[in-house]
Amino acid sequence: NAGVTQTPKFQVLKTGQSMTLQCAQDMNHEYMSWYRQDPGMGLRLIHYSVGAGITDQGEVPNGYNVSRSTTEDFPLRLLSAAPSQTSVYFCASSRGQGNSPLHFGNGTRLTVT
Amino acid sequence: KNEVEQSPQNLTAQEGEFITINCSYSVGISALHWLQQHPGGGIVSLFMLSSGKKKHGRLIATINIQEKHSSLHITASHPRDSAVYICAGLRGQKLVFGQGTRLTINP
Repeated sequence: NAGVTQTPKFQVLKTGQSMTLQCAQDMNHEYMSWYRQDPGMGLRLIHYSVGAGITDQGEVPNGYNVSRSTTEDFPLRLLSAAPSQTSVYFCASSRGQGNSPLHFGNGTRLTVT
Repeated sequence: KNEVEQSPQNLTAQEGEFITINCSYSVGISALHWLQQHPGGGIVSLFMLSSGKKKHGRLIATINIQEKHSSLHITASHPRDSAVYICAGLRGQKLVFGQGTRLTINP
């Protein structure tokens, strides 16, 4: 049972480049979410989804797009990377709508130069 | 004022001590998650609770809905408990996080 698989583990981008962070879970969880973690700021919600075809914005959605075409996958897209998006990104999933234990991916450390 | 406030921010204790980490939250939060982030960065869910008390091994989590306050207790602390402990409140379908408590247990 792989749980939540997040790729890549590390990424360096130049300003203006685009990329997709992948997140997949094999637990048939309805709820999936993306967070960024910055020093001194704690974790902040970027986008979340309560099921296939349903996404919504979190606290810091600007500069990021998501889609949820399947229950398993919830990719996070950076359309035009900016240095302010340098951070560690975590994907998480749970049953229900966030009111069940969360399962986190291992994180992606992104640096934008 | 943050929706979820944790205290203390840093805590250093000796092995064997009883540890308490506190979390206060604002109106509208329906459930509380306690998470542990290891020194390597991985995040693990410890508890999710909306009322009462939960126990898992040496860890106990309580929540007082009237006072909007939750506590995480560690009994007989051990150096392997050294980590950052994070509480997160569920508002609707969105999670809001406390700043975390960095716990160091010295042998």
